[in-house]
Amino acid sequence: GQQLNQSPQSMFIQEGEDVSMNCTSSSIFNTWLWYKQDPGEGPVLLIALYKAGELTSNGRLTAQFGITRKDSFLNISASIPSDVGIYFCAGHYGTASKLTFGTGTRLQVTL
Amino acid sequence: EADIYQTPRYLVIGTGKKITLECSQTMGHDKMYWYQQDPGMELHLIHYSYGVNSTEKGDLSSESTVSRIRTEHFPLTLESARPSHTSQYLCASSKLGTGWEIRGYTFGSGTRLTVV
Repeated sequence: GQQLNQSPQSMFIQEGEDVSMNCTSSSIFNTWLWYKQDPGEGPVLLIALYKAGELTSNGRLTAQFGITRKDSFLNISASIPSDVGIYFCAGHYGTASKLTFGTGTRLQVTL
Repeated sequence: EADIYQTPRYLVIGTGKKITLECSQTMGHDKMYWYQQDPGMELHLIHYSYGVNSTEKGDLSSESTVSRIRTEHFPLTLESARPSHTSQYLCASSKLGTGWEIRGYTFGSGTRLTVV
């Protein structure tokens, strides 16, 4: 089946730094989604991307749908302590009945 | 304001007990899902449903069972809990129909289960 690999697996950064993470697949997707999961909570949708090459922002977050349709990137600018959590990418292709979730990137922000 | 509710949030229970984790949504979504997640780890799909009387096993084998008698309700049951079932269980939902998956799932806050 389809697999989504996220990197890095975990990150420790200082408040104010910019963050970059990516998600890669062995097969193409038509839609990429990025979720954030706060400790002890369920994932919440951050950004949805529907077109190859698309660049979409949501506040300090910017995500891009890779041209090859096999990858996506998420950037967070000027990180703050509440950015702590796990970031999951998810992909969808064609008439698939379910999303495929990535392995997650765990972000820790130090003061 | 949560539109998908999971109860209990935390459950500590002894080995061998039967437990039911509740999940209800008020959005009229047809599709519902159960994920199992160890702390800080990946999401593993264990069950899903396309609607009333529809249930399917997910990608990760699970000893739990589910039922879907009402659209809004998708409970998960463990007949005999074991320490290996200790994990977080997340419920999610989405609308049925082409294109709705791409708008993403709505997740509940999860049930943290500990079997001692």
